Amino acid sequence: GAVVSQHPSRVICKSGTSVKIECRSLDFQATTMFWYRQFPKQSLMLMATSNEGSKATYEQGVEKDKFLINHASLTLSTLTVTSAHPEDSSFYICSARAGTDSYEQYFGPGTRLTVT
Amino acid sequence: GQQVMQIPQYQHVQEGEDFTTYCNSSTTLSNIQWYKQRPGGHPVFLIQLVKSGEVKKQKRLTFQFGEAKKNSSLHITATQTTDVGTYFCAGDSGGSNYKLTFGKGTLLTVNP
Repeated sequence: GAVVSQHPSRVICKSGTSVKIECRSLDFQATTMFWYRQFPKQSLMLMATSNEGSKATYEQGVEKDKFLINHASLTLSTLTVTSAHPEDSSFYICSARAGTDSYEQYFGPGTRLTVT
Repeated sequence: GQQVMQIPQYQHVQEGEDFTTYCNSSTTLSNIQWYKQRPGGHPVFLIQLVKSGEVKKQKRLTFQFGEAKKNSSLHITATQTTDVGTYFCAGDSGGSNYKLTFGKGTLLTVNP
């Protein structure tokens, strides 16, 4: 149980275009979803916290207008990278928390974004 | 803001040797979690420590949470090649969103 999927797994886009990444909890309802960015051989940097039905909470330094997050249901959150630039190229990982009594986060397999 | 320091950054051992990674938080934590990320994979939850001074074991892995709830360690006894990966600690300061601050991780490589 507790499986989180992400789509797409890899995406290459041109500079200036927008890319949407989906994160789904497949067998549980996720009260909270998190979006991270991971640079090669580095740690996970939390970008934003997403609660179903409310606006995402962004971490300091993360542009909310550039990284649009929507948490439309208890099983789906999306991250849209708008007007992508090469410096946005990274590994984006989502995670989901199962409920109010559960601390652990279940991570998706990640999305490798390359902006050319 | 909260910072979580983790050392060492890299550790290379011979199979059968022990391994320890240490984690220190700048603030008192509500709980600390440990994750393992295999090369090319995504982080996988290992364990959560909540109580001051708590010690938990999973087979060859021993996790400790400090008395002040600001530091933690993961010790692996008699490493195996399957232990290869990056081990991250992640601190939860207890906010309403349960967000985690990850350490930089320790990359463990094991020579067979």
